[in-house]
Amino acid sequence: EAGVAQSPRYKIIEKRQSVAFWCNPISGHATLYWYQQILGQGPKLLIQFQNNGVVDDSQLPKDRFSAERLKGVDSTLKIQPAKLEDSAVYLCASSTRLAKGNEQFFGPGTRLTVL
Amino acid sequence: TQLLEQSPQFLSIQEGENLTVYCNSSSVFSSLQWYRQEPGEGPVLLVTVVTGGEVKKLKRLTFQFGDARKDSSLHITAAQPGDTGLYLCAGVGTGFQKLVFGTGTRLLVSP
Repeated sequence: EAGVAQSPRYKIIEKRQSVAFWCNPISGHATLYWYQQILGQGPKLLIQFQNNGVVDDSQLPKDRFSAERLKGVDSTLKIQPAKLEDSAVYLCASSTRLAKGNEQFFGPGTRLTVL
Repeated sequence: TQLLEQSPQFLSIQEGENLTVYCNSSSVFSSLQWYRQEPGEGPVLLVTVVTGGEVKKLKRLTFQFGDARKDSSLHITAAQPGDTGLYLCAGVGTGFQKLVFGTGTRLLVSP
C-alpha cells in the first residue's frame, strides 16, 4: 500500500514570496491533516479536513496560509506572503475512522527555508 | 489549550544504557500515542495506550499511561544506536480525531 506522498521535499524562497505544497493521502483515508514542525519540536496542527470539509483550522494563520482539498483526495497548502518564521517542515498526514486508536500516517514532509 | 511537555528535551547516551522519557500534561486525554521520527521522515506510530495505568511492551520499549490519563512514560532498556531519533508523545484530545503533540525528546545513542 502506498504511503502519504508529499512534494516538493525541499523548498527555498525569499520572504514575501509565495509557496505551495502538495499532499496525496493514503487511498481511502477520509481525514487529512497539515502540520507545521519547527526544528526539534513536535508537530503543530494547522488544519484538518474530513473529506473536502474543514474540521479544524483554529491554528492556521489565515492572513497568509490557505489550504484546500477540493475533491476530498489530495490537498494543497499555500503560504502567501512567506515570513522568516515560516521556516519549518510541513507534514501531511491521513487517517481513517477504521484505524485503531486514531493512528495517523505521515508523509516525509516538505522542508521550507525562508531567507 | 491542551499542552504536553516532554522531558528531557535531549538525551545522549552510550549503547547498552537504560533511559526514561516523560510526557506530562495538566489535561486528561482519552488515549495517548508515542511516535518516533527519524531525520527527513514523518513520525511513525510506536504504540497507543488507552486505559489509565496501562503498560505496554514493545521489545525493549515499555510504555506506561498514568492512572489519571494525564501523563505517560517511555522506558528503553539496553538502548541501541538504531533507537536514535526524535520521540514524540501525542494525546488524543477533544474534537474529531485530533492529536496534540508533545514538545519532543531527541535521543542519541552512540556505539
